[in-house]
Amino acid sequence: GQQVMQIPQYQHVQEGEDFTTYCNSSTTLSNIQWYKQRPGGHPVFLIQLVKSGEVKKQKRLTFQFGEAKKNSSLHITATQTTDVGTYFCAINAGNNRKLIWGLGTSLAVNP
Amino acid sequence: DTAVSQTPKYLVTQMGNDKSIKCEQNLGHDTMYWYKQDSKKFLKIMFSYNNKELIINETVPNRFSPKSPDKAHLNLHINSLELGDSAVYFCASSQGGGFLETQYFGPGTRLLVL
Repeated sequence: GQQVMQIPQYQHVQEGEDFTTYCNSSTTLSNIQWYKQRPGGHPVFLIQLVKSGEVKKQKRLTFQFGEAKKNSSLHITATQTTDVGTYFCAINAGNNRKLIWGLGTSLAVNP
Repeated sequence: DTAVSQTPKYLVTQMGNDKSIKCEQNLGHDTMYWYKQDSKKFLKIMFSYNNKELIINETVPNRFSPKSPDKAHLNLHINSLELGDSAVYFCASSQGGGFLETQYFGPGTRLLVL
């Protein structure tokens, strides 16, 4: 079945450093979604990418979809302690019925 | 005003017991989901209903039985609880079941089986 690999699993940074998480698929994706889960919280939708090569920004967060639509990245510039949490990518399973989730990247930020 | 709500928030119970978790959404969405998140944060889809009809039923022990009395509610009943059932269970909803749909999650139910 369709899978998505997400790396790294964990990342520990100093406040002010940049952070990037990557999602990779062996097959061409129709779209990719990104979610954030704060510690003790629930996943919250951040963004969806649909077009090849698409780049979207939300303040310090930059999301990219690869030209071949097989990979995506989330980059945070100058991390803050409020960025702490687990970032998940999620892809369509192909039958349009469910999302397949990456394992998540847990970000810790030292103040 | 909570969009997707779940009860209870915490559930501590003994092995072998039967328990239920309730979920309600006030977003007017057609599709609802149950996810299990283990201690390593892996999110696993369990079930999905679209307008009260079961559309996703992953490989889940038949001790787990979902029930959707109407499209705003999706409950999960678990029989004969086992230690391995300890996890966080999230309910979610989306407008439809299509591939562009955003999912909205409830706050989760933290189940601990002793």
